[in-house]
Amino acid sequence: KAGVTQTPRYLIKTRGQQVTLSCSPISGHRSVSWYQQTPGQGLQFLFEYFSETQRNKGNFPGRFSGRQFSNSRSEMNVSTLELGDSALYLCASSARGRGDTEAFFGQGTRLTVV
Amino acid sequence: AQTVTQSQPEMSVQEAETVTLSCTYDTSENNYYLFWYKQPPSRQMILVIRQEAYKQQNATENRFSVNFQKAAKSFSLKISDSQLGDTAMYFCAFMKPDGGAQKLVFGQGTRLTINP
Repeated sequence: KAGVTQTPRYLIKTRGQQVTLSCSPISGHRSVSWYQQTPGQGLQFLFEYFSETQRNKGNFPGRFSGRQFSNSRSEMNVSTLELGDSALYLCASSARGRGDTEAFFGQGTRLTVV
Repeated sequence: AQTVTQSQPEMSVQEAETVTLSCTYDTSENNYYLFWYKQPPSRQMILVIRQEAYKQQNATENRFSVNFQKAAKSFSLKISDSQLGDTAMYFCAFMKPDGGAQKLVFGQGTRLTINP
């Protein structure tokens, strides 16, 4: 079956702009989590959505938001971009059932803010 | 809050050798999951191996095995008969059960290079 798909793969934006990233989970998976990866801070959890509801949120400012649609696809939005938002954004999906702990990752979206 | 520490930023071994990557973590939870993920140059994170804290037996997946020491809060990964394709960043990760919630706490990673 198809894996986790993230679009676009690469993005260049200017400071102050906003950006929307998309993640399509594996078919049947209802949980989507987002992570930010930077050389300095490593991999940090942004938030998780399950059944269109945000279930967990990491320690990021309110400029970072997301949503999930009825088909489990998720979008992440960053407003008023800052240079420090340049990162690889990874999306992971899971079935989120009892005992199911494996997260499947997409290839990420590389965001560069100039 | 949980923390995960990988003390080896980089490691390099020859093909066919055995290599061990270290990971320690800090938590007050008694039940949790630990993972090793691999991130090759393609950037896609791939699950290598998983350990449930309530299981005393160390997990094994082909050439990959772990040494899980719960009291010491240590979770090392051993790669036997290393191959060129094992070259990647390796991340140790922690997750506590929360109704199946997917919130992974990652270490800083170890860059592993397998030399021919």
